[in-house]
Amino acid sequence: DVKVTQSSRYLVKRTGEKVFLECVQDMDHENMFWYRQDPGLGLRLIYFSYDVKMKEKGDIPEGYSVSREKKERFSLILESASTNQTSMYLCASSSYPGDGNTEAFFGQGTRLTVV
Amino acid sequence: DAKTTQPPSMDCAEGRAANLPCNHSTISGNEYVYWYRQIHSQGPQYIIHGLKNNETNEMASLIITEDRKSSTLILPHATLRDTAVYYCIVSAGGTSYGKLTFGQGTILTVHP
Repeated sequence: DVKVTQSSRYLVKRTGEKVFLECVQDMDHENMFWYRQDPGLGLRLIYFSYDVKMKEKGDIPEGYSVSREKKERFSLILESASTNQTSMYLCASSSYPGDGNTEAFFGQGTRLTVV
Repeated sequence: DAKTTQPPSMDCAEGRAANLPCNHSTISGNEYVYWYRQIHSQGPQYIIHGLKNNETNEMASLIITEDRKSSTLILPHATLRDTAVYYCIVSAGGTSYGKLTFGQGTILTVHP
């Protein structure tokens, strides 16, 4: 079974802390993504990466950074956590099979609460 | 990426077909139509995609109009486990690195 695994299901952090959210995929996919999901706002793309050490900003990158040192791992970093970053964070990965199908596989999500 | 318009909610009786519409009137020639769903407390799950031809797989069928400005996802025999939020997304696929822009989706409730 293909898998995208996020390191934590639930996380509670204090304001100002540096927070790392880890995501690992076992499908040898080129693309990896970080989304956040909030009620009424849906899923919004924070950052994505299409290759090792490559990263691109999504729609809401402010307050976040990412790291992709290995193909299978994509980390989301909250440099100084704030309460407005309390959210569900979802990681996804996809590849290029050549027929337009960039089927994305999602992890189970990390519910982060910043207090 | 083009935007999509979906009804906020729909109901369906168990065992009946669920037909979920989507408007994407500004779709470009190189953009595909994708459908995903999200069951409560889980990550979104891919269902099906298409460019201009109708498509069918083990989960659903996708009907795209000839002008490609709208599409319909069909779940032929809905079950209670199909209760979820369904997202219609248009994307240029590989040429856009597989980025997906999610809208609000349609909440489908399947009732006994």
